[in-house]
This record gives sequence, C-alpha cells and structure tokens, in this order.
Amino acid sequence: DGGITQSPKYLFRKEGQNVTLSCEQNLNHDAMYWYRQDPGQGLRLIYYSQIVNDFQKGDIAEGYSVSREKKESFPLTVTSAQKNPTAFYLCASSPRQESSPLHFGNGTRLTVT
Amino acid sequence: AQTVTQSQPEMSVQEAETVTLSCTYDTSESDYYLFWYKQPPSRQMILVIRQEAYKQQNATENRFSVNFQKAAKSFSLKISDSQLGDAAMYFCAYRPDFGNEKLTFGTGTRLTIIP
Repeated sequence: DGGITQSPKYLFRKEGQNVTLSCEQNLNHDAMYWYRQDPGQGLRLIYYSQIVNDFQKGDIAEGYSVSREKKESFPLTVTSAQKNPTAFYLCASSPRQESSPLHFGNGTRLTVT
Repeated sequence: AQTVTQSQPEMSVQEAETVTLSCTYDTSESDYYLFWYKQPPSRQMILVIRQEAYKQQNATENRFSVNFQKAAKSFSLKISDSQLGDAAMYFCAYRPDFGNEKLTFGTGTRLTIIP
C-alpha cells in the first residue's frame, strides 16, 4: 500500500543534541512538507520541497534543517538552536497540482528534556 | 500573507444531531482551494472535504457538506447525523492556485460528540 512513513513514533532527546526525524513516501509525490503541531496553534509549516535537491523555508524554519536528496525521502533535523523543540511533527506529501490535498504521515512526538 | 481563522476552539453536539464548524480566511487571490481535515485521537490527519473557489456549488461528501461564501471568505463545515466516530480536531486549510504553494491551516476546532 502506498503511504507516508514517519519514524519513530516517539522520540526522546536531551537538550543540546541534534535529532533527525525520518519521513519516507512511496506515493511518487513531488512535493513534501514538514509541519509542527502545538496545542492551540494548529499546524505550522517548517520546510517544504517541491522537487529533489530544492527546498524552501516555511513560517518557522529557525532551528531546523532539511535535505531532499531523493524523491522518496525528506528528513528533518531539529538542531540545538531550536528553542522549544518538544512538539508533534507531521510530514506530508502531494502531487504538484494545487488542487491536490496533502497526504500525511502518522507523526512523530519529540520530547526534549 | 494568507490567514485562516477558526473562531470556535471547542464545539459539542448530541449524537445524530447536526453541527456546523466555522472557518474564515483572508486572501487577495481569486483562485484557490479550501480543505477540511479531521484529526482523531490517533492524530492521523484525514481529508474530509475539498472545495474549489471557482465552483459555486458547495462540496458534499456523504454526511459532510460545506457552505462556501466566496465574497464573505467563509468556508463552514456541516456534519449531519453526528456519530461518535466524528469526535476529533477539525482543521480548515487554504491553498492558492499557483506555484504549488503551501497549505495554511487554521488553529482547529475540537468536536465532542455527546452520546
């Protein structure tokens, strides 16, 4: 079955450590996205990529980095520069048509202490 | 920048009744797409319904329908015959019709179904 896989489901890190969240899709979608979800704030866009080897900052990119070396993969690194990294992170993908909805993974809950 | 506003943080409805969730958005574009997503306790985001701005006819998907008022920039979701499985967070989202731009989400409405 086609879909988006985010791993792990839960992730724990000590403050000051970088951590990478995985996102893989087999839907053959060109565009991929990373959103952060906090209580009462909805989904906020961190980074997105419309094509391999290219990506753009979203609304809250500070303290995060991404890469898009393969069409299927769009890993997100939460760096030690991110002030409040504890959150629920959602990866999504879509075809390159504006009418297409986003397909989401199941998310990763990151806790930094 | 586009903004999406959901003014009802929480709503509740009796099982089998009808409920309407509100959404307004701000844009200077004439062509765009609007979406409602559902996020149940599993936290999986599920597409509920989609509306193209160039279509005057309101979209419907079984018990879910929208009231799209383009001039008022309003996009409400009506859930008929509410079921226990409808309990979830509901997010309204906007996407302009150019440049494969991002979706902008509202802050969500938590819907509780009362048995």
